[in-house]
Amino acid sequence: GAVVSQHPSWVICKSGTSVKIECRSLDFQATTMFWYRQFPKQSLMLMATSNEGSKATYEQGVEKDKFLINHASLTLSTLTVTSAHPEDSSFYICSASSLTSGGRQIYNEQFFGPGTRLTVL
Amino acid sequence: GEDVEQSLFLSVREGDSSVINCTYTDSSSTYLYWYKQEPGAGLQLLTYIFSNMDMKQDQRLTVLLNKKDKHLSLRIADTQTGDSAIYFCADGSGNTGKLIFGQGTTLQVKP
Repeated sequence: GAVVSQHPSWVICKSGTSVKIECRSLDFQATTMFWYRQFPKQSLMLMATSNEGSKATYEQGVEKDKFLINHASLTLSTLTVTSAHPEDSSFYICSASSLTSGGRQIYNEQFFGPGTRLTVL
Repeated sequence: GEDVEQSLFLSVREGDSSVINCTYTDSSSTYLYWYKQEPGAGLQLLTYIFSNMDMKQDQRLTVLLNKKDKHLSLRIADTQTGDSAIYFCADGSGNTGKLIFGQGTTLQVKP
């Protein structure tokens, strides 16, 4: 399957600082990338969907000014947590998907990154 | 909104079969997925089933879909300790590519 990487794998920061998390598709072009947040022992909550070259679509309740998403190329999307606070501490996971060569997405498969553990002190 | 529900915990003995159940509410589901998450890691796609199928088998994995009852199950035959993980079912519908995840079922395999 396709490989998606995330960097960093973990980060600890002070309250009030901003943190950038990168999501890269290593061996395919990702037309769409998704950002999820996962609290301990809970499910993945979709935060936003980003399509290359356009603004991200945020899910209800997710502050777009706090969680800045940039999808500047077909292989890279970034999530910046601005002015982080302890309640932003979580496991952030990205996924990437692509259309087939014929332009039709066969079964919406998303390839997941390994996740980034963010701890805000 | 659409919802996906799973039981939270399942414990089995090594060598037994495991059955993880999932229910969903979306009538327009196109594909349904099973993902595996090991501690501190991302999600690994195990298998998926198209909504017009009743069953799909892939080695030790069998997926059953009851579309009328909106019920999905994952059976793992000859469960091994390496199968211990959290299993998520996910509903993928429409053209957005979005997935709606269940809460995850923690599978504990005892030696």
